[in-house]
Amino acid sequence: GNSVTQMEGPVTLSEEAFLTINCTYTATGYPSLFWYVQYPGEGLQLLLKATKADDKGSNKGFEATYRKETTSFHLEKGSVQVSDSAVYFCALLAPNAGGTSYGKLTFGQGTILTVHP
Amino acid sequence: KAGVTQTPRYLIKTRGQQVTLSCSPISGHRSVSWYQQTPGQGLQFLFEYFSETQRNKGNFPGRFSGRQFSNSRSEMNVSTLELGDSALYLCASSFGSTAYGYTFGSGTRLTVV
Repeated sequence: GNSVTQMEGPVTLSEEAFLTINCTYTATGYPSLFWYVQYPGEGLQLLLKATKADDKGSNKGFEATYRKETTSFHLEKGSVQVSDSAVYFCALLAPNAGGTSYGKLTFGQGTILTVHP
Repeated sequence: KAGVTQTPRYLIKTRGQQVTLSCSPISGHRSVSWYQQTPGQGLQFLFEYFSETQRNKGNFPGRFSGRQFSNSRSEMNVSTLELGDSALYLCASSFGSTAYGYTFGSGTRLTVV
């Protein structure tokens, strides 16, 4: 079946440090890939997405590139801020045997990021 | 533009009771999905509805059910509540194409005592 593996957390960084959160996946067919962020007490917010190989998703300084050869979608940011402290989820949407995915996102376990001033 | 609205935000129920949660999608979105989030199991897919039809279902017992109305609003119901049903229940809506991704609501925090 489909699965997503994220790097173990939590991750603690100082403000302006470089961030990488690793994400690898296993999927049938050709999945679309997403990064979501969850702030305390809130739902998930879509951070960025990529729907085909070599696509680079980017938003708010965050970037991730869809690497089909390594089945990876690592999240990066060049300079983190205290306001980036949150839980980050990598997710995929993969077609089922009928060629459709119908709303079933498969999530990684989440990575807690804490940024100190 | 209004986002995905889930009501209520918090619920406390007793074991054995049943509960109904509501989700209003973004205007124009016809696909609504439901997820359960717990510290132990993470985010797990419950089901997805499109134009009042359930198109996909996760691996949850039959106590978990849902429906979608003609205006795309959706409800999920959990009968005979168990302590393990305590979780954050999230609803997400989409136009129905993966190109757009899914927009999530803030969730309903259900506590079963």
